[in-house]
Amino acid sequence: QVQLQESGPGLVSPSGTLSLTCAVSGYSITENNWWSWVRQPPGKGLEWIGEVFHSGSAHYNPSLVSRVSISVDRSKNHLSLNLNSVTAADTAVYYCAKHWGYGFDSWGQGSLVTVSS
Amino acid sequence: QSALTQPASVSGSPGQSITISCTGTSSDVGGYNSVSWYQQHPGKVPKLMIYDVSNRPSGVSNRFSGSKSGNTASLTISGLQAEDEADYYCSSYTSSPTYVFGTGTKVTVL
Repeated sequence: QVQLQESGPGLVSPSGTLSLTCAVSGYSITENNWWSWVRQPPGKGLEWIGEVFHSGSAHYNPSLVSRVSISVDRSKNHLSLNLNSVTAADTAVYYCAKHWGYGFDSWGQGSLVTVSS
Repeated sequence: QSALTQPASVSGSPGQSITISCTGTSSDVGGYNSVSWYQQHPGKVPKLMIYDVSNRPSGVSNRFSGSKSGNTASLTISGLQAEDEADYYCSSYTSSPTYVFGTGTKVTVL
């Protein structure tokens, strides 16, 4: 049974860097091709942030590409998300998700990150 | 990239069938058999209901079905039940290559 668990600071200062980790258990990152990060601002819809291949190759949402970086650590079986120069608009629940076909079949519980001073 | 267009709300009575549309472009919905659908209850994690246009993951009720015609995909819920009341989102792979979600649809069971 695959499980994903996001972790990281719940509060980030404006202009700072948001850093989250997604620990994967019950499944090897290298068994699946792609892994994604998705976010959801309070009361709003889902937004795809980006995806990473287990080799480290990544693709990003064009609206975030200048500020975002996603990586994998195969030795720790986890993914990482870094988003810099954050503003209040980046306040959201951040999810990591496993790809299945062109869908996302397993999701973490989500990590609420608030950008505020 | 622009979000895929979904109706803000759809409602139906128990036992009825409803259909949610998801409209994109030839660079996303129309260009690939890559549409997926998610159900999200308030405060809960999104759940994959349909992937690759019409495939149901193991454990998902066969009351949920997906289809696509041109640049518009659809999710049909038949035999509507109270537990189906939730927000629904579509998603599509794009030519960039990236993914894009829909605007979301609130389903109300009357």
